[in-house]
Amino acid sequence: GQNIDQPTEMTATEGAIVQINCTYQTSGFNGLFWYQQHAGEAPTFLSYNVLDGLEEKGRFSSFLSRSKGYSYLLLKELQMKDSASYLCAVQDSNYQLIWGAGTKLIIKP
Amino acid sequence: EAQVTQNPRYLITVTGKKLTVTCSQNMNHEYMSWYRQDPGLGLRQIYYSMNVEVTDKGDVPEGYKVSRKEKRNFPLILESPSPNQTSLYFCASSTGEVGKLFFGSGTQLSVL
Repeated sequence: GQNIDQPTEMTATEGAIVQINCTYQTSGFNGLFWYQQHAGEAPTFLSYNVLDGLEEKGRFSSFLSRSKGYSYLLLKELQMKDSASYLCAVQDSNYQLIWGAGTKLIIKP
Repeated sequence: EAQVTQNPRYLITVTGKKLTVTCSQNMNHEYMSWYRQDPGLGLRQIYYSMNVEVTDKGDVPEGYKVSRKEKRNFPLILESPSPNQTSLYFCASSTGEVGKLFFGSGTQLSVL
């Protein structure tokens, strides 16, 4: 079966760095996506990785290792507005997205 | 403004009363999809459409219908809603890069 695993909840301090991990087992692989979802709102696209390595976009970076079935989202210089759920999704061999349940990130002052 | 418009935002109904949730996008996207989101389960795909007049079942299609008569519109129909369809629903669209989705603002549905 297809499976995406990520921690249910994480807590971090304003100004710090946090890493949210995602491991996956899917039928084929055509890319991994990270989305941000604030409470009561729609998910918004953050990043896309299809090749191994690190993709940096401002305070956010995303890493992929296809051989390990592993990705992480790194958030630097945390701000209170980063409090949200972070969703990991993998595009399978049929180009359909398989979603993780999401990681709720709580930022404390 | 490029957007996916979903209505209504909130809906309370009773078991068995047919309802439609509308979804419209103004970005000329070929791909559109419906998801439901339940606590602890993440997003689950109900139906998707690769283009006009082409629809396919997702992971949880039972109890739902869709149609894609025009490129911009992709309504979700619940012919006979049941309480287990109480959920937060999202419509989404995309260009050829299916994974980079643009989501509507969501519809919180309660079936009593």
